[in-house]
Amino acid sequence: LAKTTQPISMDSYEGQEVNITCSHNNIATNDYITWYQQFPSQGPRFIIQGYKTKVTNEVASLFIPADRKSSTLSLPRVSLSDTAVYYCLANFSGGYNKLIFGAGTRLAVHP
Amino acid sequence: DVKVTQSSRYLVKRTGEKVFLECVQDMDHENMFWYRQDPGLGLRLIYFSYDVKMKEKGDIPEGYSVSREKKERFSLILESASTNQTSMYLCASSPDGPQHFGDGTRLSIL
Repeated sequence: LAKTTQPISMDSYEGQEVNITCSHNNIATNDYITWYQQFPSQGPRFIIQGYKTKVTNEVASLFIPADRKSSTLSLPRVSLSDTAVYYCLANFSGGYNKLIFGAGTRLAVHP
Repeated sequence: DVKVTQSSRYLVKRTGEKVFLECVQDMDHENMFWYRQDPGLGLRLIYFSYDVKMKEKGDIPEGYSVSREKKERFSLILESASTNQTSMYLCASSPDGPQHFGDGTRLSIL
């Protein structure tokens, strides 16, 4: 059964690095892992996407080990405005009808 | 900037009613999606469409149908609304890449 699992919640402090790990069994070799950020009363917003090793953009990094059974979103030096829910999305065995979101990780950043 | 607009932010309907949720995107994207979002369950895919008049079932299509008569518009239809369809509904669009989401419609079925 395709499943995407991530921690329910995390706490951090301003200026720290935050790593959120998502487990996704049996994704296909070329299928993407995507992370989204969601604030209250808004739709999810794209953060980063990748399918192997490491991807970095201006706001985050995404690490995917060789076995591709998990991925880690890394947020460098978080601020209060990074308090949000973060969703991992995995595409199992290709095709849009195998898009499986995790239940979301609620990140709270404290002063 | 991509804009995905959902016609209503809040909607209250009664059990048994036929309910229409509308979504419009302005970026000529091929793909459009409907999800429902429930606490502790994340987003679950109801239906998606990869072209005009084309549709595919997602994980939870039961009780729903969709319509895509024009490329920019994707409608979700609750044929006979039930209380267990009370939820946040999110529409998204994409080219062959990351999805862009609307801000959701919070639907309550009484």
